[in-house]
Amino acid sequence: QSALTQPASVSGSPGQSITISCTGTSSDVGGYYLVSWYQQHPGEAPKLMIYEDIRRPSGVSIRFSGSKSGNTASLTISGLQAEDEADYYCCSYAGDTTLLFGGGTKLTVL
Amino acid sequence: EVQLVQSGAGVKKPGESLKISCKGSGYRFSDYWIGWVRQMPGKGLEWMGIIFPGDSDTRYSPSFEGQVTISVDKSINTAFLQWGSLKASDTAVYYCARRDSGWTIDYWGQGTLVTVSS
Repeated sequence: QSALTQPASVSGSPGQSITISCTGTSSDVGGYYLVSWYQQHPGEAPKLMIYEDIRRPSGVSIRFSGSKSGNTASLTISGLQAEDEADYYCCSYAGDTTLLFGGGTKLTVL
Repeated sequence: EVQLVQSGAGVKKPGESLKISCKGSGYRFSDYWIGWVRQMPGKGLEWMGIIFPGDSDTRYSPSFEGQVTISVDKSINTAFLQWGSLKASDTAVYYCARRDSGWTIDYWGQGTLVTVSS
């Protein structure tokens, strides 16, 4: 199985909104309601931001939202803040007890 | 509070063996699968495999089958990842992580840096 496809980088100015896409196939992203998104700051462990495509864990800012259409999931961050600058990874269940990660997207806040 | 605490960083030579650990607390350890994720220097996250502490049921990603061994000792709430013969290409940060009741990884350990160098 190949990694899910994410853009290598995205950028935005403070206060703007950005969207990161995550493209897979009908065997992973499109086949289950099980896409999650993780934020990773340098030298830190990943942090869960969105799960089951659209759900937000308690404690995560409402500025983070998830959506999905077909085989592509998306993470949108609204009202960009400096602390949002990080790497973001999507992850999908791919059947047979396997998880697939995306290649990661580096978000730069200009 | 759910916590996964991993063993410290290690430096090994090619061909040596290594076993790193991940101790869970703040929840019923036997009831949740624990997975392992590799992150090579400057690279993304890779799924290695997962184990259920309740019965030691273990599943490996095809890319890691035969390369590592995942085990658990539920009496001490600890999962393990081990190598029989390390290679330089095993240099990476390894994370343990808890799978929730669905298929979301909800909590992560702090990571263990493994450096393999002659």
